[in-house]
Amino acid sequence: EPEVTQTPSHQVTQMGQEVILRCVPISNHLYFYWYRQILGQKVEFLVSFYNNEISEKSEIFDDQFSVERPDGSNFTLKIRSTKLEDSAMYFCASSGPGRHEQFFGPGTRLTVL
Amino acid sequence: AQSVTQLDSQVPVFEEAPVELRCNYSSSVSVYLFWYVQYPNQGLQLLLKYLSGSTLVKGINGFEAEFNKSQTSFHLRKPSVHISDTAEYFCAVSGATNKLIFGTGTLLAVQP
Repeated sequence: EPEVTQTPSHQVTQMGQEVILRCVPISNHLYFYWYRQILGQKVEFLVSFYNNEISEKSEIFDDQFSVERPDGSNFTLKIRSTKLEDSAMYFCASSGPGRHEQFFGPGTRLTVL
Repeated sequence: AQSVTQLDSQVPVFEEAPVELRCNYSSSVSVYLFWYVQYPNQGLQLLLKYLSGSTLVKGINGFEAEFNKSQTSFHLRKPSVHISDTAEYFCAVSGATNKLIFGTGTLLAVQP
């Protein structure tokens, strides 16, 4: 069964450093998303991406964040200058032509020291 | 704006007992409703969804949920739980856009 994959599973970085989180969505899916879950809190929407552009973003997704689909398979989330409060589990998701059913990856745990 | 409320942060239940996890939503537009399960140290897995049609939806692992528009609820039920059902359960809503709005989650703790 096809699935969304994410790398790395755990990333530790120093405050102020840039990080790139990688995702490989399901191959025939057209819509891509990033969510995050701060420890002990609920899952929060960050951004959605369709047709090579951002279709919606939350207020969390400020200028420090960017997304890219550099090739036909990867979908990345970049945080330019990490802050302590960026520590969280980051989930990638994708959905197909029907849009509404999103399939999630296993997540990347980002720890900012 | 859409929102989801899961009033129960934790639900303890004995094995083979029935369980109901409550979810209420608010939205000014038509909604699509979902339940996701998160096992320890894993990602989110879709349990079931309501997009349209029958208000009673069945999902994986014997779970079902009923969409009640008048009560703006989408409660999750299972007639007999197993130890392996111990996990965090998230209710979510989406509307005209695809973004999912999640509730705070309910930890289902199944005891032998």
